[in-house]
Amino acid sequence: EAGVAQSPRYKIIEKRQSVAFWCNPISGHATLYWYQQILGQGPKLLIQFQNNGVVDDSQLPKDRFSAERLKGVDSTLKIQPAKLEDSAVYLCASSSRPGWGLPETQYFGPGTRLLVL
Amino acid sequence: GQQLNQSPQSMFIQEGEDVSMNCTSSSIFNTWLWYKQDPGEGPVLLIALYKAGELTSNGRLTAQFGITRKDSFLNISASIPSDVGIYFCAGQSYGDKIIFGKGTRLHILP
Repeated sequence: EAGVAQSPRYKIIEKRQSVAFWCNPISGHATLYWYQQILGQGPKLLIQFQNNGVVDDSQLPKDRFSAERLKGVDSTLKIQPAKLEDSAVYLCASSSRPGWGLPETQYFGPGTRLLVL
Repeated sequence: GQQLNQSPQSMFIQEGEDVSMNCTSSSIFNTWLWYKQDPGEGPVLLIALYKAGELTSNGRLTAQFGITRKDSFLNISASIPSDVGIYFCAGQSYGDKIIFGKGTRLHILP
């Protein structure tokens, strides 16, 4: 079974530029997550999708970050314009929720490493 | 917001030694998770704990869900070079997001 795919793996941009990341979740997984992992920290949830609907975007800086999952499969995360503090690894994860209240297992992709200069 | 305190921050051990790390929270969680992250990769789930007091093993790894539901620990027995990496604890309450600790960096001396 193929894992979560992300691209690009690395990106270097200058501040105020725009950048987009792509994620393809595990086939059949309805739930997709974008996390931001700053160096030396654990992952922090930015946004969670259930199919093509947003479940939780409470920690997404909406003035500059946006994400979509139009067909309920692939997803893109965009930063416009980027700031120096956006330098981080952006991780995508997916899960197959067995049902409300039951535990889930999230599978992570390799991440996109962003450096903002 | 909810925060997890994970300790130690880093460990330097000899190959073959046992390792112990723990995670505490001011909040109650329904699920405790332990992940390992290798350089350049995303976290991989090692052990999931779903009930207070639960003790679960995965090979040389053993983790426990604290009785108070506010803590968990992970033990690694007889460490080997491939155990090197960053170990994250994570907690989750029903219907809420997963909260990650800051990680424990494990280094193994030859």
